[in-house]
Amino acid sequence: NAGVTQTPKFQVLKTGQSMTLQCAQDMNHNSMYWYRQDPGMGLRLIYYSASEGTTDKGEVPNGYNVSRLNKREFSLRLESAAPSQTSVYFCASSASGTNTEAFFGQGTRLTVV
Amino acid sequence: GESVGLHLPTLSVQEGDNSIINCAYSNSASDYFIWYKQESGKGPQFIIDIRSNMDKRQGQRVTVLLNKTVKHLSLQIAATQPGDSAVYFCAERGDSWGKLQFGAGTQVVVTP
Repeated sequence: NAGVTQTPKFQVLKTGQSMTLQCAQDMNHNSMYWYRQDPGMGLRLIYYSASEGTTDKGEVPNGYNVSRLNKREFSLRLESAAPSQTSVYFCASSASGTNTEAFFGQGTRLTVV
Repeated sequence: GESVGLHLPTLSVQEGDNSIINCAYSNSASDYFIWYKQESGKGPQFIIDIRSNMDKRQGQRVTVLLNKTVKHLSLQIAATQPGDSAVYFCAERGDSWGKLQFGAGTQVVVTP
């Protein structure tokens, strides 16, 4: 049981380049999330998906797009990377309902130069 | 807007002592709270949770206290060990399906 798997673990992009961060979970969870974490700060929600086929903006969605490809997979795309998007990105998933914890992946460390 | 925040950015604790990590929240609609532990280079890991209809919940060496009157949450770690060194986050969930809002985190440093 792998839990939440993110790829890649590290990435360096040039300003203006695009890339997609991949996330997959094997816990049959309905809800999936993308967070970013900047140094010395908590996690901020970028986008979330309450169920397959639905996505909604979180706290900091600008510059990102997402795709809930199926129940297992939720990808995050940067169309034109900017230095301000240098961060550690975490994918998470949870079962439906309010009293359920979220399980996190190991993170993707992205540097935009 | 409403937010979750922590009182202390860094907490230094001697090995064997008890640790107390505090968290203030302002969203009165939140009804579920979680404490996460994050070690360097890793994703957050669930420690313990508590529902708003409870005041206290205990786990293995950890206790979470919830004071709804003053909107305060705390995590107590008994007999702190070197492996407890990490950043601890509180998170709240206040909507119908469950996205989490995180506080800034507290760095716990365990000294010998």
